[in-house]
This record gives sequence, C-alpha cells and structure tokens, in this order.
Amino acid sequence: DSGVTQTPKHLITATGQRVTLRCSPRSGDLSVYWYQQSLDQGLQFLIHYYNGEERAKGNILERFSAQQFPDLHSELNLSSLELGDSALYFCASSSRTDQETQYFGPGTRLLVL
Amino acid sequence: DQQVKQNSPSLSVQEGRISILNCDYTNSMFDYFLWYKKYPAEGPTFLISISSIKDKNEDGRFTVFLNKSAKHLSLHIVPSQPGDSAVYFCAASANDYKLSFGAGTTVTVRA
Repeated sequence: DSGVTQTPKHLITATGQRVTLRCSPRSGDLSVYWYQQSLDQGLQFLIHYYNGEERAKGNILERFSAQQFPDLHSELNLSSLELGDSALYFCASSSRTDQETQYFGPGTRLLVL
Repeated sequence: DQQVKQNSPSLSVQEGRISILNCDYTNSMFDYFLWYKKYPAEGPTFLISISSIKDKNEDGRFTVFLNKSAKHLSLHIVPSQPGDSAVYFCAASANDYKLSFGAGTTVTVRA
C-alpha cells in the first residue's frame, strides 16, 4: 500500500458524459500527478500540481481538467467523454524532500460505452 | 514519440536465477531513472531509482545500472522469486518530474 488513495475504483459511463476522479496523496506529500494508461499509449503523464498550483502539463486534452484543493487532495475532471477515453487513470504523489520519486495509487478504471 | 523503450515485452526466468531487464532512452536531458513493478489491477509500485550522476544503485535483490553514453539502463534481480512475476516499467524524468514510461516487460518466474 503506497498510501495514495483513489476513488472510485471502477467507473462505467456513456459517451458525452462527465466524470470526476478523486485522489488523496500520501500524508505530507504536496505534489500530485495524474497519468493515463491506455492499451495503445501506455502510461502517459497528464498533469502535475504542487501545493495547489499547476506545475506542468503533458498531453492532456482540453476536455480534461484538474485541480488540487487546500487539503491537498486532487480531482481530475473528464468531460464530453469519448470511447477512446476508456483507460486506467493513476494518481501519484511525491514528497518535498524527494520529488523525483513518485508513489502511485491503485488507479481508477474508466469504461466509456 | 516514445522516449523510453523496453524492447523485450516478456522475460521468463527460473526461480533462483538472475533476471535482467533492459531499457533504452533517447532524451539526453533525462537525469533520473526509476523502475516500477506492477501487478494486475494495482498501481505501479516503486522499486529502485538512480540519478544520472551514478552508474549503479543497489537495494537488496535489486540493482540498477546506468550507462549514460549508451543511454541504457538495466535492472538486475538476484535471485528471482515467484513473487517477482509482474510487469516491470522503466521510467525517466528530466528534472521536471514528468515521468516518461517504457511499455513494460512482463516477467514470469518459473518454479
């Protein structure tokens, strides 16, 4: 158990809908990262937040957005969902003293029908 | 553009023997490298890392070697145990904390 929690574990929805994925980092960690793992693209970096501020973006679609709240939990919002958005979404966190090492949560499996 | 490549999709090794996993990268700005292990239906678990200022790092049964001139790193697991059967991912970052991952190598440890 990495100490990173993600909810829900599974999510099934329809095209065009909007969903919110939630992540709580390890106690004391200020950084939260979101990754997408799809069958054809592997694990891809989406976005990084540090203490509430966006620090870096990867190839994140405009339909996707994220935020980190004062209690340091983060939410990833996916809207106008398409079939191709079906994937595993992982959250990771890292500490102030070792930002290089990221610890991953168990993931949310999203299925868009 | 795949900047981190794991060219062997699978590896089968006998219990007690050495497992050697390889990883190549193309981005010369990468300065930190990590190996993760992943079981089905779980998130990646951090195993071991190495900074570009080192060429070797060891932690128990796991050793990572870095050859910067060849842009190549490897993970050695000695001795291999049945619980090591999993998918192993190589990852790298360029001082920006954005991890780039390889496609993974599935390791099967045979009894």
